[in-house]
Amino acid sequence: DAGVIQSPRHEVTEMGQEVTLRCKPISGHDYLFWYRQTMMRGLELLIYFNNNVPIDDSGMPEDRFSAKMPNASFSTLKIQPSEPRDSAVYFCASSLGGGYNSPLHFGNGTRLTVT
Amino acid sequence: QKEVEQNSGPLSVPEGAIASLNCTYSDRGSQSFFWYRQYSGKSPELIMSIYSNGDKEDGRFTAQLNKASQYVSLLIRDSQPSDSATYLCAVNPRNNAGNMLTFGGGTRLMVKP
Repeated sequence: DAGVIQSPRHEVTEMGQEVTLRCKPISGHDYLFWYRQTMMRGLELLIYFNNNVPIDDSGMPEDRFSAKMPNASFSTLKIQPSEPRDSAVYFCASSLGGGYNSPLHFGNGTRLTVT
Repeated sequence: QKEVEQNSGPLSVPEGAIASLNCTYSDRGSQSFFWYRQYSGKSPELIMSIYSNGDKEDGRFTAQLNKASQYVSLLIRDSQPSDSATYLCAVNPRNNAGNMLTFGGGTRLMVKP
């Protein structure tokens, strides 16, 4: 299995630009999560989907952030407009089932730098 | 108060020693607990899960849970330099569908040869 695939691995952009991060979950997994990791705040859950439907987006910091999952094999996290404080590593993770014993499988992350 | 708290470290232990990593959580109703290991520049990977009070052993790793004290720990026996990483404690505060995890800030472990 290829695991969770994220792209790009690194993104450098200027403040005010639109940024789109992409994720392909493990085939067959029905839950998809977007996390953000910074030194100051650690790993934070932004939003998660079940069967392509957003279930909880309470972690999305503000309206500049949006996430979609048009089908079972693809999700995007968009930031528009981007700001320097959005600089972080963004992880996508997927799991099979939503039970407490369903482990999360993380992608390699996208390191975003907004200048 | 943060929901999941860990000492950021670094925790430095000599090779072959036991490393003890600790975590406290605030939601008394939490039912499932996880330890993830994250190497520098890499993604977190699950190493242990525990759901009941007591100890759970897996190779050199032992997870310990005390729900009354809202405390979970990870022991690494015979520590190796390859164990040097950041260890993240994660808690599912609601134990419901979605496996929504709240992570602690992580403890950086350094195992010195």
